[in-house]
Amino acid sequence: GAVVSQHPSRVICKSGTSVKIECRSLDFQATTMFWYRQFPKKSLMLMATSNEGSKATYEQGVEKDKFLINHASLTLSTLTVTSAHPEDSSFYICSAILEGELGYTFGSGTRLTVV
Amino acid sequence: AQTVTQSQPEMSVQEAETVTLSCTYDTSENNYYLFWYKQPPSRQMILVIRQEAYKQQNATENRFSVNFQKAAKSFSLKISDSQLGDTAMYFCAFMKLQGAQKLVFGQGTRLTINP
Repeated sequence: GAVVSQHPSRVICKSGTSVKIECRSLDFQATTMFWYRQFPKKSLMLMATSNEGSKATYEQGVEKDKFLINHASLTLSTLTVTSAHPEDSSFYICSAILEGELGYTFGSGTRLTVV
Repeated sequence: AQTVTQSQPEMSVQEAETVTLSCTYDTSENNYYLFWYKQPPSRQMILVIRQEAYKQQNATENRFSVNFQKAAKSFSLKISDSQLGDTAMYFCAFMKLQGAQKLVFGQGTRLTINP
């Protein structure tokens, strides 16, 4: 079946630095990918929709300058958390729609800890 | 905007019992999809079952079935013969057909299957 690979699975960074999270569709082309944030014991909150070859669409309240999304190819979307702060610590999950299919395929998530 | 409500934050049953998780949603759309996703401790999101709103027949996947009541905007998940491996967070999700195919998640239900 369709697989979405997300890397890294865990990352610890210092306050003020930037960290990049990659999301790859391994055996299909994904024109659209989505980035979610999940707080402990909470639901998934959509941050942005990543469209190949165009600017991402951010949800209300999500800082586009802090959470930079790039979708430069049909198989890769990246989320860069810039100037990270401890409050950015969270679990980030990407997903993709398989064209012609119903539903999403999710990456395995990235646990970001900012110290 | 669409909203999804899961009114049961936690549930616990004995192994082999049947359990039903509730989900209601609010939308003005007529064509949409509904999903149940499972998130085990690994935090990988796994599709359990999906339902197209235009289909009157309730979806079934082995031990998992849904009770879809379109007029009542209700979409409950029944797990029969529950197993220890069913222990997880369960999220109900809505996706409309028109426009950006974003998933809107409910708050989640933490299900524990006891031996």
